[in-house]
Amino acid sequence: AQSVTQLDSQVPVFEEAPVELRCNYSSSVSVYLFWYVQYPNQGLQLLLKYLSGSTLVKGINGFEAEFNKSQTSFHLRKPSVHISDTAEYFCAVLEVTGGFKTIFGAGTRLFVKA
Amino acid sequence: ETGVTQTPRHLVMGMTNKKSLKCEQHLGHNAMYWYKQSAKKPLELMFVYNFKEQTENNSVPSRFSPECPNSSHLFLHLHTLQPEDSALYLCASSRLITDTQYFGPGTRLTVL
Repeated sequence: AQSVTQLDSQVPVFEEAPVELRCNYSSSVSVYLFWYVQYPNQGLQLLLKYLSGSTLVKGINGFEAEFNKSQTSFHLRKPSVHISDTAEYFCAVLEVTGGFKTIFGAGTRLFVKA
Repeated sequence: ETGVTQTPRHLVMGMTNKKSLKCEQHLGHNAMYWYKQSAKKPLELMFVYNFKEQTENNSVPSRFSPECPNSSHLFLHLHTLQPEDSALYLCASSRLITDTQYFGPGTRLTVL
């Protein structure tokens, strides 16, 4: 991918509200798509991934994402967030070409308020 | 517990020091990675090792030198760093280079 854009650097939301974290990428080849979450003072861990098949992917902790090839987007959603969802979320794209290089977005900080 | 450990967790060093970061995984993975995470910037891939062979070097300055002695261990040797090298350095591994990456907790490096 030439670039991965996470459109919002910070998303504040109230507990039990729905949330969408946006991710767009630019690539001319087939891609695998990932969402990772990073809690404070920890490394990244996988939330969900899209490799092929159904464009709606369900992950851990009630998150899901939809791959939209025409819009080159992979937005992350959750219908009802919890305080514990407060973290940094990273979208990542792996180009399925000779280099198999993963490119990460800049991250979106989700802040869930009581 | 992700199975990827990094030591030390915190490191403060002067610009003339030489130090090494260590990453270890016992997940049976074949690919290992070094990333640099700076505030408000995308995660930067530094180096990739696939079956102990370096396959990626993202124009990283020579003051960073990776070493992969076996498929379970990855080192990042540091010398004559600059203050702008201060960041969180994350190690990751994956079974294959196309698979999910499992990350360690990182080493918070401060260069004075």
